[in-house]
Amino acid sequence: GAGVSQSPSNKVTEKGKDVELRCDPISGHTALYWYRQSLGQGLEFLIYFQGNSAPDKSGLPSDRFSAERTGGSVSTLTIQRTQQEDSAVYLCASSRVLAKNIQYFGAGTRLSVL
Amino acid sequence: AQTVTQSQPEMSVQEAETVTLSCTYDTSESNYYLFWYKQPPSRQMILVIRQEAYKQQNATENRFSVNFQKAAKSFSLKISDSQLGDTAMYFCAFMKYNAGNMLTFGGGTRLMVKP
Repeated sequence: GAGVSQSPSNKVTEKGKDVELRCDPISGHTALYWYRQSLGQGLEFLIYFQGNSAPDKSGLPSDRFSAERTGGSVSTLTIQRTQQEDSAVYLCASSRVLAKNIQYFGAGTRLSVL
Repeated sequence: AQTVTQSQPEMSVQEAETVTLSCTYDTSESNYYLFWYKQPPSRQMILVIRQEAYKQQNATENRFSVNFQKAAKSFSLKISDSQLGDTAMYFCAFMKYNAGNMLTFGGGTRLMVKP
């Protein structure tokens, strides 16, 4: 595709429910990143994929958070048993492996947990 | 661990004037990249400019330029001939060289360009 695509754009859920956020990177980009943007914590790194593997999961805030990537393309970030503090904008970025220092971002998913 | 600090939460500038956004960082690394990203209300982060720490020459992209002071660990962004479309949040970010993974962001500066 022309850019990084994220869906849904907005998601409202009830506390305790599970949610899945999707990221479709730029075609040919092998590296994929998830970040969280919240009022209290600013922009935080969550996880990074090179191909289908995640070398660095240190940024995931709790074991309720997980992510996977299949076929070296689409990635899904899953939050189980959502809490109000999970409310944030979740941003996805991708980069070409030979230019890993330039990350291109999607428009994010705004998650609201009621 | 790296930290990035943007000391100006909000700034405003008149259209066509020049404005400078400040950024300082703390790291023990000698090689790294620094970035300025723009985030308009659409939420999509857009790369404005990039600086490689081993290059002494300051990066320039059209109306955007940086003042990179490695010893002082300072990386300011200058926007010349400000335009209404420059209104956005601006984030300074750091990445370790050859790591290709996480960006560490500052807290952001909200810039308003006034007509």
